[in-house]
Amino acid sequence: SQTIHQWPATLVQPVGSPLSLECTVEGTSNPNLYWYRQAAGRGLQLLFYSVGIGQISSEVPQNLSASRPQDRQFILSSKKLLLSDSGFYLCAWSLAGVSEQFFGPGTRLTVL
Amino acid sequence: RKEVEQDPGPFNVPEGATVAFNCTYSNSASQSFFWYRQDCRKEPKLLMSVYSSGNEDGRFTAQLNRASQYISLLIRDSKLSDSATYLCVVNGAGGGNKLTFGTGTQLKVEL
Repeated sequence: SQTIHQWPATLVQPVGSPLSLECTVEGTSNPNLYWYRQAAGRGLQLLFYSVGIGQISSEVPQNLSASRPQDRQFILSSKKLLLSDSGFYLCAWSLAGVSEQFFGPGTRLTVL
Repeated sequence: RKEVEQDPGPFNVPEGATVAFNCTYSNSASQSFFWYRQDCRKEPKLLMSVYSSGNEDGRFTAQLNRASQYISLLIRDSKLSDSATYLCVVNGAGGGNKLTFGTGTQLKVEL
């Protein structure tokens, strides 16, 4: 069966510091991968999605970037965090051509 | 207009009650529809897909009205463990199987 991992689970970072969040999927090949952010009391916002290694689509202009160095690895990064980057970051995967997405446990980021 | 709109609630219901949530979506080209459940401070989990003919999974029934661009979720015989936020989710016409999430309806089931 497929599993999705995210780490760290929680993170507190100062403004201006870099960020790297990692997501890995097991038990499937060539998944579509997604990064979402959920701000407090708000809905999920799609940040990036990827249909293959090195292929990244950005949904909204922002302070973040994403990379997919391996088939089942998806990384979310920032060079300098802003206060507004605080939120619950969720990675998800789906099979290519299938709509259902499955989420990892998330990383709760607080920027101070 | 939001792409997916839901009443945020909260819906406070007694155990054993029947409760219904509604959702409207704006993209008439949407092809796939889902309900996800999200517990406090946890990730969303797929509850059920919504098919044109309607579908049932135990105490849960989902229905789709394409003409009105409306989706519903009915929960019968509510349990305390049903307390959560229910997210209406719609697949748009864009590539990569992108999903658009509603902000959710909060359900609290009480003794």
